[in-house]
Amino acid sequence: KNQVEQSPQSLIILEGKNCTLQCNYTVSPFSNLRWYKQDTGRGPVSLTIMTFSENTKSNGRYTATLDADTKQSSLHITASQLSDSASYICVVSDGNQAGTALIFGKGTTLSVSS
Amino acid sequence: EAQVTQNPRYLITVTGKKLTVTCSQNMNHEYMSWYRQDPGLGLRQIYYSMNVEVTDKGDVPEGYKVSRKEKRNFPLILESPSPNQTSLYFCASSLSPGTYGYTFGSGTRLTVV
Repeated sequence: KNQVEQSPQSLIILEGKNCTLQCNYTVSPFSNLRWYKQDTGRGPVSLTIMTFSENTKSNGRYTATLDADTKQSSLHITASQLSDSASYICVVSDGNQAGTALIFGKGTTLSVSS
Repeated sequence: EAQVTQNPRYLITVTGKKLTVTCSQNMNHEYMSWYRQDPGLGLRQIYYSMNVEVTDKGDVPEGYKVSRKEKRNFPLILESPSPNQTSLYFCASSLSPGTYGYTFGSGTRLTVV
């Protein structure tokens, strides 16, 4: 069964510190992997997308990595800010063209405190 | 501005009273989808549509109906809401979700008492 597992479930860090969120998947075939950021009560917004051949993708202070062999991805946040407090969702596509192509992780809730 | 617009943002209703949550997109996307999000369960797909007059069930379709009479609109209908449908709902649209992912609306927080 296609699954996306994220860890940790929640995380609290001090402002200015770095952190890394993990995503493991068992989706096959694999097409691409996205990280979304979801502010409380708002819709998810895409941060990065990586295909099979990409190892790293950056978006400002956010850097995502992908190891397609071990089926793992990570999202590294550098010099965290209070505005980084949100849920981060890993989403993997199995490449089919139907509306069910996306498999969602349950998310990691990040709290950045001052 | 390219966006997915849901209304209302907040809704409190009573058990059994029919309601409709509207969703509209201005990006000419073929695909539209409804998700519900509950604590600890993440986003779960309710229904999706690949084009006008084409809809299909997602993972949790029970108690919901949808229609796609126009490309831009994809309303979610709860014929007889129950308390277990209290949730945060998101509409989303895409040219092709497997390739481009989804653009999400801002959400509708529904409470059924």
